[in-house]
Amino acid sequence: SAVISQKPSRDICQRGTSLTIQCQVDSQVTMMFWYRQQPGQSLTLIATANQGSEATYESGFVIDKFPISRPNLTFSTLTVSNMSPEDSSIYLCSVAGTSGGYNEQFFGPGTRLTVL
Amino acid sequence: KQEVTQIPAALSVPEGENLVLNCSFTDSAIYNLQWFRQDPGKGLTSLLLIQSSQREQTSGRLNASLDKSSGRSTLYIAASQPGDSATYLCATGNTPLVFGKGTRLSVIA
Repeated sequence: SAVISQKPSRDICQRGTSLTIQCQVDSQVTMMFWYRQQPGQSLTLIATANQGSEATYESGFVIDKFPISRPNLTFSTLTVSNMSPEDSSIYLCSVAGTSGGYNEQFFGPGTRLTVL
Repeated sequence: KQEVTQIPAALSVPEGENLVLNCSFTDSAIYNLQWFRQDPGKGLTSLLLIQSSQREQTSGRLNASLDKSSGRSTLYIAASQPGDSATYLCATGNTPLVFGKGTRLSVIA
């Protein structure tokens, strides 16, 4: 299994500002994922971040709003730009590992963001 | 596109009861299926991973089954405890996972 940490664990931000969330993994992984969980909802994939290439964004998410960095195989950042109250969510970093040859995903503790 | 549905959305049971949470998915060509637990405002804890070639997995009081032909998985919790109160999420797909909306479980002492 993989141990994932995220910083910050929570934050309260003002409308129009930006927040960068960090994700650190205790082992090298190829694929890292960023999810959003809006209040009372399930997880929605924002993007897939592979080291050495640009992130791949899901429908409804764009790089200008959610720029992602992946400088090495153990670290990634997600920035939530020009925030509005609708961005209030839990943001979760996830990595894919292998269990018996099959992919298994592990999740960080999440970053709870409140935008005022 | 894979869609995952969980029923019921919420469930309240007295302590000690056995219970079943249901998960259905539209695309049976899955690689594996994972069950997660999420406490309020927290991240996800992986409970069980069922590989596509398997029919069930067990961990302690938890047992998860998988029926690919019918597109269903169930999570069975035996002898429920108040500490089991959480939201349980089912997810499947070929990395990354697609999630259901979860079942919010309350176990009353």
